[in-house]
Amino acid sequence: GGIITQTPKFLIGQEGQKLTLKCQQNFNHDTMYWYRQDSGKGLRLIYYSITENDLQKGDLSEGYDASREKKSSFSLTVTSAQKNEMAVFLCASSSGQGNERLFFGHGTKLSVL
Amino acid sequence: GEKVEQHESTLSVREGDSAVINCTYTDTASSYFPWYKQEAGKGLHFVIDIRSNVDRKQSQRLIVLLDKKAKRFSLHITATQPEDSAIYFCAASRNAGAKLTFGGGTRLTVRP
Repeated sequence: GGIITQTPKFLIGQEGQKLTLKCQQNFNHDTMYWYRQDSGKGLRLIYYSITENDLQKGDLSEGYDASREKKSSFSLTVTSAQKNEMAVFLCASSSGQGNERLFFGHGTKLSVL
Repeated sequence: GEKVEQHESTLSVREGDSAVINCTYTDTASSYFPWYKQEAGKGLHFVIDIRSNVDRKQSQRLIVLLDKKAKRFSLHITATQPEDSAIYFCAASRNAGAKLTFGGGTRLTVRP
């Protein structure tokens, strides 16, 4: 089996700050995703990547950047944190070869003061 | 774009009873419908899925029903146990490899 590791688990930032979240997977999966989870709103796709150095925008990409430096890692940057923002960011991966099952990390909980 | 709505935001059942979570979708081209479970403080994990070529699928205590005409699908958990308590998310996509659109989640509590 494999695992998806997200760091940090908790992130506290200041308004206007640039914040970076990291994700590593050892499934050797091709496709990786970043989702934002807000209470009662389900998961919304921010960015995904189907291979190293590829980036595809999701429904919520404004205000975020992403980087797929290598196959096993996918990072997400909040370009300017919004005051009182609070959300959980979930990283996921899938093999991407017609296998649709997503494997998720435990999440990074963001709070902006 | 696709919209997926979960009708119950919370659901409470007694241990041993059945729980039913309902979802509707808007895109008639959607053909793949997975369900994910999220336990406290953890990420989601896959529990069961159904494709549009069938209208029922069962895996142990989990049953998924799909009504394409009504654009509705549901998760039935039979003989519920305390460890079934979690948030359940439904999702839909046009095909197995396409982007998923998730519902808002249903928090299921199984009371002893």
